[in-house]
Amino acid sequence: EVQVLESGGGLVQPGESLRLSCAASGFALNTYGMTWVRQAPGKGLDWVSTVSSTGETFYADSVKGRFTISRDISKNTLFLQLNSLRVEDTAIYYCARGYGTDSFDYWGQGTLVTVSS
Amino acid sequence: EIVLTQTPLSSPVTLGQPASISCRSNESLVHSDGKTFLSWLQQRPGQPPRLLIYKVSTRFSGVSDRFSGSGAGTDFTLKISRVEADDVGVYYCMQATQFPRTFGQGTKVEIK
Repeated sequence: EVQVLESGGGLVQPGESLRLSCAASGFALNTYGMTWVRQAPGKGLDWVSTVSSTGETFYADSVKGRFTISRDISKNTLFLQLNSLRVEDTAIYYCARGYGTDSFDYWGQGTLVTVSS
Repeated sequence: EIVLTQTPLSSPVTLGQPASISCRSNESLVHSDGKTFLSWLQQRPGQPPRLLIYKVSTRFSGVSDRFSGSGAGTDFTLKISRVEADDVGVYYCMQATQFPRTFGQGTKVEIK
């Protein structure tokens, strides 16, 4: 059974860092693209970053230079390093399987990141 | 950046009646490989998004055949043939023809 499970969210102050994890099971991470999507409270879906099956990375302009997507194939785990966090980064961060062209077919429950002073 | 505009933003529907959601793009979603990467997702209250339809009209595994997608170029539609109580939620279209991936604003489907 395909599953993805996020962890690592929490409450941080502006300017601080956080690392989110997404543990994948039921498939091999290096055979699929993987994506992070976020959702601010009461708002719509906002694409954050994608890593292709070959390791190419893509970022939304709003996070470029601050967030880094990576993966540990041996642990079948996806990461999102969030640096220089801003209040407007407050959101539920979802991990989803997919590069996008076949959409994002499996989603985790999400992990909440709150940036507040 | 490709902008997707959904209409309506809210759709009160009577149980058993059909519902239709439009998604319009500000540029063609036909990729250089000839395919169109437009998908539809459902988000029930308090739940993560769930894939319904990808590549315009292909239903994802396990999705009811009450859901259908159609369209081409810049205009796309999601139809629910007979709305059930379980269909309540927000529906999003999403494009993956270009980076950045973008979503429509969402359409809230509720029971009248």
